[in-house]
Amino acid sequence: AQKITQTQPGMFVQEKEAVTLDCTYDTSDQSYGLFWYKQPSSGEMIFLIYQGSYDEQNATEGRYSLNFQKARKSANLVISASQLGDSAMYFCAMRDRDSNYQLIWGAGTKLIIKP
Amino acid sequence: EAQVTQNPRYLITVTGKKLTVTCSQNMNHEYMSWYRQDPGLGLRQIYYSMNVEVTDKGDVPEGYKVSRKEKRNFPLILESPSPNQTSLYFCASSFGTGDAHFTEAFFGQGTRLTVV
Repeated sequence: AQKITQTQPGMFVQEKEAVTLDCTYDTSDQSYGLFWYKQPSSGEMIFLIYQGSYDEQNATEGRYSLNFQKARKSANLVISASQLGDSAMYFCAMRDRDSNYQLIWGAGTKLIIKP
Repeated sequence: EAQVTQNPRYLITVTGKKLTVTCSQNMNHEYMSWYRQDPGLGLRQIYYSMNVEVTDKGDVPEGYKVSRKEKRNFPLILESPSPNQTSLYFCASSFGTGDAHFTEAFFGQGTRLTVV
């Protein structure tokens, strides 16, 4: 069955440091998509970055990059030069054909940036 | 502005009193979903719809109903709410044909429901 695992319930990081949030996934489908969302304390869900299973290069969006290691089934989010506004919950999610393109979610990582 | 609109944002109701949470999107998306979010459990899918008149159960459909009579709207109905349905609810939409399935979902602002 499809599954997303985020092993870090919470993280503290010093401002301006880089941070890596871990995500591993499990699917038998060859075609799938991986997503990261941010949820600040205000509650809204903000899309950050996407990686397709056939994409040969790691996705990047501004300060966000995705370290995609297909053989290990990992899709870690890297935030460079962290800012106080990065403090939030971060969720990893996956879609594949076998699940009718439903978004399967990890439990999330609470990131706190220290000044 | 492209958006998903949920209403109401906050709702306190009593056990057994039927309620509807509305969801509307203006992006012509085929795929729409409802999730609930509870502390420590992440987001769990309640129902989803791949197109008009097509709906399917997600992981936690008990106690909920949905309908998709038109493309833009996907209301969530709680016929007889109970306290264990107290949660934060999200509606989301995305493109839904072929490889466009692998695009991000756009979320509504959320509905915080309390059932007493």
